[in-house]
Amino acid sequence: SAVISQKPSRDICQRGTSLTIQCQVDSQVTMMFWYRQQPGQSLTLIATANQGSEATYESGFVIDKFPISRPNLTFSTLTVSNMSPEDSSIYLCSAPFQGYNEQFFGPGTRLTVL
Amino acid sequence: SQELEQSPQSLIVQEGKNLTINCTSSKTLYGLYWYKQKYGEGLIFLMMLQKGGEEKSHEKITAKLDEKKQQSSLHITASQPSHAGIYLCGAGGLSSGNTGKLIFGQGTTLQVKP
Repeated sequence: SAVISQKPSRDICQRGTSLTIQCQVDSQVTMMFWYRQQPGQSLTLIATANQGSEATYESGFVIDKFPISRPNLTFSTLTVSNMSPEDSSIYLCSAPFQGYNEQFFGPGTRLTVL
Repeated sequence: SQELEQSPQSLIVQEGKNLTINCTSSKTLYGLYWYKQKYGEGLIFLMMLQKGGEEKSHEKITAKLDEKKQQSSLHITASQPSHAGIYLCGAGGLSSGNTGKLIFGQGTTLQVKP
């Protein structure tokens, strides 16, 4: 199975600041995704990180709030901008393998905004 | 209402007992993924089903996708405390093909009493 790592694993931030989360995959992948898991909730897709082009955002998520970079086929970053306490969540990246037969997730970044 | 409904929402079983978790949609499921999540951690990929009537096993966990591809069940045989966690189903597509962008159910929390 693939190994997906994320940095940082957790952070506590002040409102109004920004945090950049890194996601590293141990092999090249075509697609990478970013999800949010709010406290006590299930996962919601934020966006698809496209290599060489702008990310594709899901309804309710915008680039100004969640800018995403995908400089190569193994790495992506998600920035949570101008944070408020409502942004306190676990943020996870994922990538499909073997076509879509498998999809693995990173360990997540637990963000608390004060 | 949820596009993907899981039942039950929570479950407490005695060690050694069997249990079943269901994941249901009113639409056709394309790519049905099962994950286990320990509290506050990342998702562990269990298995993916895509063909109507398909059944897969991973250790003592068996998952099935019904013939109509609108319901999947996850069955754990002889449960152990290590099975405790949150089980999540995710669909790669509803009514159309698997896009890799997962829509999740709300999760089922499993406790196994020794």
